[in-house]
Amino acid sequence: EPEVTQTPSHQVTQMGQEVILRCVPISNHLYFYWYRQILGQKVEFLVSFYNNEISEKSEIFDDQFSVERPDGSNFTLKIRSTKLEDSAMYFCASSDLDRNQPQHFGDGTRLSIL
Amino acid sequence: RKEVEQDPGPFNVPEGATVAFNCTYSNSASQSFFWYRQDCRKEPKLLMSVYSSGNEDGRFTAQLNRASQYISLLIRDSKLSDSATYLCAVTGAGSYQLTFGKGTKLSVIP
Repeated sequence: EPEVTQTPSHQVTQMGQEVILRCVPISNHLYFYWYRQILGQKVEFLVSFYNNEISEKSEIFDDQFSVERPDGSNFTLKIRSTKLEDSAMYFCASSDLDRNQPQHFGDGTRLSIL
Repeated sequence: RKEVEQDPGPFNVPEGATVAFNCTYSNSASQSFFWYRQDCRKEPKLLMSVYSSGNEDGRFTAQLNRASQYISLLIRDSKLSDSATYLCAVTGAGSYQLTFGKGTKLSVIP
């Protein structure tokens, strides 16, 4: 069964540094997403991406965040200047065009900011 | 009012028991509904979509009540492997954004 893959599985970074989280969505999916989950809290939407542009974004997704699809397979989330509160699990997801179809999640990147 | 609410549990049930979870949502224009399960520190994994007519997949049954704005999940004949946190997720009208509840933790005990 096709799956969403994410790298790295764990990233440790000093506060203020830039990080790039990588995702390979399911190949025939057209919508891509990033979510995050702070330890002990609920999964929160960050951004959705379709046709090479941001479709929706949440209040969390401020100017420190950006997304990109640099080639035909990868989808990346960049955090420009990390803060302690960015420590969380970051999940990539993808879905096809039908809004009623579910989103499938990758196994996440655990980001630890020191 | 929180957008998607779930009883946090934990629900501790013996093997073989039937257990039911409810989830309420505040946006009456919500369009799509899903149940995911999440094991500790893992990704949400789709359990099932929830359709207006209700749907069943083996031991799992999901129901949607649009008038009362809640969805439910029933698990029959609980297995040890059902132990996880069950997340309710909803999309709004015209949106692809999934809004999750905090989840209900289930522990099935031998």
